[in-house]
Amino acid sequence: QSVLTQPPSVSAAPGQKVTISCSGTRTNIGTNFVSWYQQFPGTAPKLLIYDNNERPSGIPDRFSGSKSGTSATLGITGLQTGDEAEYYCGTWDSSLDVGVFGGGTKVTVL
Amino acid sequence: VQLQQSGPGLVKPSQTLSLTCAISGDSVSSDSAAWNWIRQSPSRGLEWLGRTYYRSQWYKDYAVSVKSRISINPDTSKNQFSLQLTSVTPEDTAMYYCARDYESFDIWGQGTKVTVSS
Repeated sequence: QSVLTQPPSVSAAPGQKVTISCSGTRTNIGTNFVSWYQQFPGTAPKLLIYDNNERPSGIPDRFSGSKSGTSATLGITGLQTGDEAEYYCGTWDSSLDVGVFGGGTKVTVL
Repeated sequence: VQLQQSGPGLVKPSQTLSLTCAISGDSVSSDSAAWNWIRQSPSRGLEWLGRTYYRSQWYKDYAVSVKSRISINPDTSKNQFSLQLTSVTPEDTAMYYCARDYESFDIWGQGTKVTVSS
């Protein structure tokens, strides 16, 4: 029942590319910047992408973000076993006046 | 910048959940950041609860789902902020995180697992 919609899981072989979609509405993704977070079991989420496509220092350029209309996408190229984690999109909803997140996508490296 | 959370991991039903988030490397009175509480549970996923921030005066925003029960307060003397959630039920059982919002949730606390049980 998350406000933003993500696929539950994606998978690919090492070295391949995966993309994770995040679907929202005009009042959240359509109006505001999107962020992406990576979470390993038992740890806090970590910022991966902010302002739709910006990487914080220390985040490799294998991770990329984009936004179009009311959807956003996270891309991971050169997939590594260490990328196995849960990934969440997040933004602000200007109508609800709250922060909102996707339900998370589990990335599995085959 | 680091956020250090503290508070009890077990709260009885109908009582008040209280957590504190101590800030180092930034100021709770920053005019460019907001200070948030977010919780995570298997049933509700990541749920933003509320925030406080200073822009010439203090502001507070709360999620509708908890608005009648929540209070987030800054403490400038200790450079920290707190969460109080009253009348808790087992549905409030979750991992609770504090987080700085500087264009995004860029810094998170370590998390506090809170269980509501008698």
